[in-house]
Amino acid sequence: GAGVSQSPRYKVAKRGQDVALRCDPISGHVSLFWYQQALGQGPEFLTYFQNEAQLDKSGLPSDRFFAERPEGSVSTLKIQRTQQEDSAVYLCASSLGGQRDHGYTFGSGTRLTVV
Amino acid sequence: SQQGEEDPQALSIQEGENATMNCSYKTSINNLQWYRQNSGRGLVHLILIRSNEREKHSGRLRVTLDTSKKSSSLLITASRAADTASYFCATDRPSGSRLTFGEGTQLTVNP
Repeated sequence: GAGVSQSPRYKVAKRGQDVALRCDPISGHVSLFWYQQALGQGPEFLTYFQNEAQLDKSGLPSDRFFAERPEGSVSTLKIQRTQQEDSAVYLCASSLGGQRDHGYTFGSGTRLTVV
Repeated sequence: SQQGEEDPQALSIQEGENATMNCSYKTSINNLQWYRQNSGRGLVHLILIRSNEREKHSGRLRVTLDTSKKSSSLLITASRAADTASYFCATDRPSGSRLTFGEGTQLTVNP
């Protein structure tokens, strides 16, 4: 597609509910990143995929967070047993190769509100 | 943890004026990038400057990089109301697989 597409755009979850956030990167983009952005803050790294391989998941805040990209294109970020502190905008970005000397293309994000 | 720190946190100017935002970082980098974020939207890549470059231009944007001081500045000339947004610097470290973002500068351009 022309850009990075994320769905849903907004998600309200009750505390304890599981959620799944989807990212459709630009076709052919090898690298895919997930970031978490709290209100008024800069994005914080969560995890990185190169094709289907998850090469870095050191930013995932707890074992309730899980990400996958099984066929090297679409990615899903899953949060189990959501907590209020999980409320944030979740941004997905893709890049043609490694990000060396190339900027990322970001999606519009999914705003998650846990009530 | 945040690698970059932008300064100022907020900046309000009149249309037509120039806006300068600064970014400091702590470790060695491969490149430094600037992004813009309009309210409620994703980030848009503006410009990338490599560690061996000192200055780069793109349209009304001018970026400088001083690796000895671990700092960068973004200058927007002849600002427009449409430039109103948050601006973030992000660093790419030589050994890393991620961009690390600062807290951002909120720029308001008044018509």
